[in-house]
Amino acid sequence: NAGVTQTPKFQVLKTGQSMTLQCAQDMNHEYMSWYRQDPGMGLRLIHYSVGAGITDQGEVPNGYNVSRSTTEDFPLRLLSAAPSQTSVYFCASSYSGRGVSYGYTFGSGTRLTVV
Amino acid sequence: AQKVTQAQTEISVVEKEDVTLDCVYETRDTTYYLFWYKQPPSGELVFLIRRNSFDEQNEISGRYSWNFQKSTSSFNFTITASQVVDSAVYFCALSAPNTGNQFYFGTGTSLTVIP
Repeated sequence: NAGVTQTPKFQVLKTGQSMTLQCAQDMNHEYMSWYRQDPGMGLRLIHYSVGAGITDQGEVPNGYNVSRSTTEDFPLRLLSAAPSQTSVYFCASSYSGRGVSYGYTFGSGTRLTVV
Repeated sequence: AQKVTQAQTEISVVEKEDVTLDCVYETRDTTYYLFWYKQPPSGELVFLIRRNSFDEQNEISGRYSWNFQKSTSSFNFTITASQVVDSAVYFCALSAPNTGNQFYFGTGTSLTVIP
């Protein structure tokens, strides 16, 4: 059971480039989210999805796009990379049934540097 | 609005000392869940505990214990007889099923255990 798989683990981009961070889970979880982690700021929610075909913005969505065409996959797209997007990105998934919230399972993270 | 505050940014203790990490939360939901995650130097996020708002019983797991007090909106985490392997960043988080199962994280407490 792979859990949540994120690729790549490391990436360096030039300002203005675009790229997609991949996230896949094999636990049939409804909920998937993308967070970014910056020093002293904890984890901040970028976008989330409560099921296939449904996405919504989190706290810091600007500069990012997401889609959820399948239950398993939740890619994060950087449209035009900026140095302010240098961060560690985590994808997470969770099951939530009948109003119960379970803990998120996190991927191993992607360390992105924009130069 | 949901909010989690971890006022302790960094803590250093000598090995075998006890240490308590504070977590204070804000929410208007009557049903909510509280979590603690550990992030060791390797960077992954490890789930430690989940507690729902209707269960105020303290929990002990080995050297770890958690004190949930609704009266003070706190969910504190104590490590007894700390060890070097406990050195990590610890995050407290809040989730309310009625708000899309989003997780609201505190900014984290960096714990260093000195041998």
